[in-house]
Amino acid sequence: SAVISQKPSRDICQRGTSLTIQCQVDSQVTMMFWYRQQPGQSLTLIATANQGSEATYESGFVIDKFPISRPNLTFSTLTVSNMSPEDSSIYLCSARGVDNSYEQYFGPGTRLTVT
Amino acid sequence: AQRVTQPEKLLSVFKGAPVELKCNYSYSGSPELFWYVQYSRQRLQLLLRHISRESIKGFTADLNKGETSFHLKKPFAQEEDSAMYYCALRHGGGFKTIFGAGTRLFVKA
Repeated sequence: SAVISQKPSRDICQRGTSLTIQCQVDSQVTMMFWYRQQPGQSLTLIATANQGSEATYESGFVIDKFPISRPNLTFSTLTVSNMSPEDSSIYLCSARGVDNSYEQYFGPGTRLTVT
Repeated sequence: AQRVTQPEKLLSVFKGAPVELKCNYSYSGSPELFWYVQYSRQRLQLLLRHISRESIKGFTADLNKGETSFHLKKPFAQEEDSAMYYCALRHGGGFKTIFGAGTRLFVKA
C-alpha cells in the first residue's frame, strides 16, 4: 500500500495569486495523478504527473494554469496559477503503487478557497 | 467516450434493508470497474473491483457487460455503511481512472 500526504490541507487565497500544493508518497509508485473535486461534484482528472518530463493534461486543463512537477518517484507538486473564485475546490493527489497496480491511493485533499 | 453514470445522488435506507447503488458505464472496449468509498472525514479508498469478484464489508458488485452496469449491492445495510460511493472505470491496460458523480448512502437507524 501507499500512504499519501498533502500540504497544505487547506488555504484561503486571494484572486490573482498562485498556490503550490505538495504531494508526498511514502513508497515508490508508478503513476501519480492530480484530481479536482468541486463542491457537490465528482472527481475530475487534471493531469498525470510524469517523472522527469512534462505532465499529461486532460482536456480543459493547461500547463500555464496548472503547472505540475514530479522530480522523483515519490513527490509531486501542483500549482494553481492566477486563481479565481472558480478555482475553489478540493485538489486530490493520487498514485498507483508498484505492488498492487490496479489500486489507486488518494491523499486527504487540499481544500482551496479563492476570495 | 468513456463515461460513468451514477443516477442517484442520494440513497437513504433503513438499517437491515437491502441496498443497491447503481452504476452504468459507457466504454467500447474491456473496462476495469471499481467501487471507491469515502467515509466521513476520511480519504477516498478502494472498496472492490470487478476482477476480484470478492465481497468486501458485505458488498458485492457484478459486471454486466450486456447492460453495461456495475451495481453495488449489500443485502443488509448497516449504519456504518453511510458514506459517499463512487463508481470508477479504467480502460483495460490504461492508466487513467474516471469517476462517476457519486452516490451518498445514508443508512437510518
